[in-house]
Amino acid sequence: DQQVKQNSPSLSVQEGRISILNCDYTNSMFDYFLWYKKYPAEGPTFLISISSIKDKNEDGRFTVFLNKSAKHLSLHIVPSQPGDSAVYFCAASVYTNAGKSTFGDGTTLTVKP
Amino acid sequence: DAGVIQSPRHEVTEMGQEVTLRCKPISGHDYLFWYRQTMMRGLELLIYFNNNVPIDDSGMPEDRFSAKMPNASFSTLKIQPSEPRDSAVYFCASTPRARGGSEAFFGQGTRLTVV
Repeated sequence: DQQVKQNSPSLSVQEGRISILNCDYTNSMFDYFLWYKKYPAEGPTFLISISSIKDKNEDGRFTVFLNKSAKHLSLHIVPSQPGDSAVYFCAASVYTNAGKSTFGDGTTLTVKP
Repeated sequence: DAGVIQSPRHEVTEMGQEVTLRCKPISGHDYLFWYRQTMMRGLELLIYFNNNVPIDDSGMPEDRFSAKMPNASFSTLKIQPSEPRDSAVYFCASTPRARGGSEAFFGQGTRLTVV
């Protein structure tokens, strides 16, 4: 049973437009969520996180939205830039053990110039 | 700090051979994680340590896999004997504390190919 799902393996957007990446989870115990970005031949790097006590967290061009009732979160990138092209992983955890995360399969984002 | 350092970056070995992957976490980080990435299973947690002590190894696939952390600055993941299905990218990650707000810092990974 996959507890964290990213149903879109890939997404292509035009530079300057909004990118929306989606993630669903099934485990009600998860209360802390993270997004990581991964370039080829590199390890994932942390992008942004959100606790279940919030429904939105913003950091520059990146905003994560959390809908607890739907067990759904999304990452918005506005405006998208070619350098944002990467694989984005959604991860879920329990706050008291946030280092131990369950990852989704990732979404490959391509931003076209 | 140089970040999490993994070695080797690439490893090609024959089936049945022993393979040892190495990791140096970021200094001061009390938690160390070993992840494996495959096409079939995505990014999955194998084992993690707190202050050099293994806390959860439920993700270790088989007894052929073992991990150690003899001190705060070094960990190994060993596969003996290796099999072609072990081919994957293995990531080591560290974090300073368990609670939220401390995301994991990943190494660049070791790409293992077992032929």
